[in-house]
Amino acid sequence: GDSVTQMEGPVTLSEEAFLTINCTYTATGYPSLFWYVQYPGEGLQLLLKATKADDKGSNKGFEATYRKETTSFHLEKGSVQVSDSAVYFCALTRHGGATNKLIFGTGTLLAVQP
Amino acid sequence: DVKVTQSSRYLVKRTGEKVFLECVQDMDHENMFWYRQDPGLGLRLIYFSYDVKMKEKGDIPEGYSVSREKKERFSLILESASTNQTSMYLCASSLGDRANYGYTFGSGTRLTVV
Repeated sequence: GDSVTQMEGPVTLSEEAFLTINCTYTATGYPSLFWYVQYPGEGLQLLLKATKADDKGSNKGFEATYRKETTSFHLEKGSVQVSDSAVYFCALTRHGGATNKLIFGTGTLLAVQP
Repeated sequence: DVKVTQSSRYLVKRTGEKVFLECVQDMDHENMFWYRQDPGLGLRLIYFSYDVKMKEKGDIPEGYSVSREKKERFSLILESASTNQTSMYLCASSLGDRANYGYTFGSGTRLTVV
């Protein structure tokens, strides 16, 4: 079945370092891909998305490119801040049934130190 | 600003109790979802509803039921709570069949069953 695999965390970086969080997927058809972020004590928020191959999603300095040939959607940011500390979830849409549903990876904890 | 509101942030219940988790959205969304979030497992879909009184099982429905009598409200019911149902529960909603627009999440209910 459809699934999402994320790199294990925690990822610990110093402020202004470059961030990559790897995400690969297995799916039939052409899913849409998402990154969600969960700040401490809060629910999930949509960070960015891409709906077809080669699309690049971007928001708040984060980027991810939908790579169909490698079935990947890696999250990147050029210079992280302490305020980026959160759990990041990669997700895809699962088609079929009464409506489309999101399937999530296990999440990657990012800790940014000053 | 659109909102998904979960009635409790923290709940402590005893084994065998019947537990109700409530979720209300103010966006007139057709779809509503219940996930549980556990460390190392990410988010797993319990149940979802695509219309009033309509529901479908997700990936882990055992031990749970749901109710949707009004469009804005989606309740998760633990018929007889057990300690393995201790978890963070997240409610979400989405517009129509457009998972591509992403979900809006509530802040979560952390349930402890003792």
